[in-house]
Formats: sequence, structure tokens, C-alpha cells
Amino acid sequence: NAGVTQTPKFQVLKTGQSMTLQCAQDMNHNSMYWYRQDPGMGLRLIYYSASEGTTDKGEVPNGYNVSRLNKREFSLRLESAAPSQTSVYFCASSVTNEQFFGPGTRLTVL
Amino acid sequence: GENVEQHPSTLSVQEGDSAVIKCTYSDSASNYFPWYKQELGKRPQLIIDIRSNVGEKKDQRIAVTLNKTAKHFSLHITETQPEDSAVYFCAATFNDYKLSFGAGTTVTVRA
Repeated sequence: NAGVTQTPKFQVLKTGQSMTLQCAQDMNHNSMYWYRQDPGMGLRLIYYSASEGTTDKGEVPNGYNVSRLNKREFSLRLESAAPSQTSVYFCASSVTNEQFFGPGTRLTVL
Repeated sequence: GENVEQHPSTLSVQEGDSAVIKCTYSDSASNYFPWYKQELGKRPQLIIDIRSNVGEKKDQRIAVTLNKTAKHFSLHITETQPEDSAVYFCAATFNDYKLSFGAGTTVTVRA
């Protein structure tokens, strides 16, 4: 069991570039989440997916889109990256309340 | 949505002493309160959680207490050790299963 995996681990983008962060889980969880973590601000929910085929906005969705490709995979897309999106991004999954996190993607937008 | 406030933001304790972190929440419907530990450069990992029908839960050196009337819950670490140094986050559920996190407490255990 790999748990929750994320790719890439690190990424540097220029302002205006686009990219997709990938997340996959092998725990057969229904719910999946994308968070961003900024210093002194904890983890803030970007988007979540309660089950395959459904997605909904969280606290800070602007500038992002998501796709729940199947039960295992939940991707986060930045269409036109901005310096304000420099952050560490965590994917998580859950079957009940307990959420399991991936290792994170450190994204820098120049 | 839920608003979770966490205090203090930093905490320095002598090895062997106790550490206490406090959180308050706003949504009276919240019913699940986890605590996560995050070491430098690592992912957050669940260390203990408590549900609204329980007032206290203990697991070895860590314990969590919940006061639903006052809408606050606390993490207690006893006999602190250097490996307890990390950032700790509290969280509370909103809209059934989503979590709202506190801003985190950086705990440093001095040898």
C-alpha cells in the first residue's frame, strides 16, 4: 500500500504557465481533497471531491480547477500560474473523517 | 464555514515538561476534532482525534480534551521529548466531513 502519492515533488513555473498536479490513492477512499499550506496559515481547502464524479469548491478555489478522473485519482490544475500560488500543495483522501495526506508538492511561481 | 483558532503559535518547553495547545471553533455542528503533527518537510500525520460524544481521550503521552459547551479543545503532551518538536495542527469538521484547520503551533523541546 503506497497510500496517497503526489507528483511532482517540486516544480518551478513562470507567471502565466500552466501545470497539473497529480494525486492518487490506493486505499479505496471515496473522498479526496486538495489543500495549500502557506507559512502561518495552516492548511486551506482548495477543492474537494466527495465521490467519483463530483467536485466542489473549498475555501480558496480561485485560480484552480480539478478533475476527479476515477476513484483513485484527483488532479489539480493551474491554468495561468501567479506568484500568489507559490505554496506547498497537499492532496488527502478519507473514507470517514480521518484524512490521510500525500507527501506534498512544493510549487514556486516566479 | 468553520473558523478554528489555535494558540499559541509557538511553544518552547524544557524536555520532560508538559506542552498544552488550545483551539476554539465556531460551528456548533462540528463533531470530529483531529490533531495532526507535521515534521519539517513532511506530510501532516494524525496523532489523536476526539469525537463530540467524548470529553477526553488519551494515548500514551498525549491526550485531548473537548468542551463542547465552550467550543474549545486542547492537546496535552506530557514528558516531552526532542522527537515531539514539530508543528501541530488542530482541526474541526464542517459540512459533515470537510476539515477546517488551525494555523498551527510550532513546538520546540529544549534538551
